Amino acid sequence: ETVLTQSPGTLSLSPGERATLSCRASHSSSSNFLAWYQQKPGQAPRLLIHGASNRATGIPDRFIGSGSGTDFTLTISRLEPEDFAVYYCQHYGSSGFTFGPGTKVDIK
Amino acid sequence: QPQLQESGPGLVKPSETLSLTCTVSGVSISSTSDYWGWIRQPPGKGLEWIGSIDYSGNAYYNPSLKSRVTLSVDTSKNLFSLKLNSVTAADTAVYYCARDIRSFDNWGQGALVTVSS
Repeated sequence: ETVLTQSPGTLSLSPGERATLSCRASHSSSSNFLAWYQQKPGQAPRLLIHGASNRATGIPDRFIGSGSGTDFTLTISRLEPEDFAVYYCQHYGSSGFTFGPGTKVDIK
Repeated sequence: QPQLQESGPGLVKPSETLSLTCTVSGVSISSTSDYWGWIRQPPGKGLEWIGSIDYSGNAYYNPSLKSRVTLSVDTSKNLFSLKLNSVTAADTAVYYCARDIRSFDNWGQGALVTVSS
């Protein structure tokens, strides 16, 4: 099973700033199966990025996914007020799916 | 885009079986090779995948839950279902259903299930 570690646990930023979120996998794998989600309180997660760098339908281009192997990054180029939320990375592999513990992006 | 809706009891007694159904609209389950999955989230915690199933009943499960989980599909009603047996308080969570395309692109709103006597 691939274990995902996300850092930092919490990121305190202001609107307009750049957010950089990290996801590290315990085993190297195809980037085709790395995804990122956004979750707001009381809501279901929303798929942002699949295949490490492909934006899902309707996702603004300020959300940028990158990385390969064991190290992946979600960058939000300029934070909008609606971007303050929890972000999860997710891996798909031979044992199915695993999720990282999440990074909370809150308002500084 | 498919819409998904979870339904089922919100309260289950310890040692009993949790049963939930996910009704899919906007697309026929049997017309696609996609899988359909269940994910849960304990209050204040992260996400845990439970398992996924396709229209013909091929299923795969989280190894940590496999011994207690059964997934099934009813193509005539365009829905799929989850059964989790021998529940404990640790199974209290919001249960989501979602379309599995090796990521989860369409989600239901979630159903809170509390395990308590």
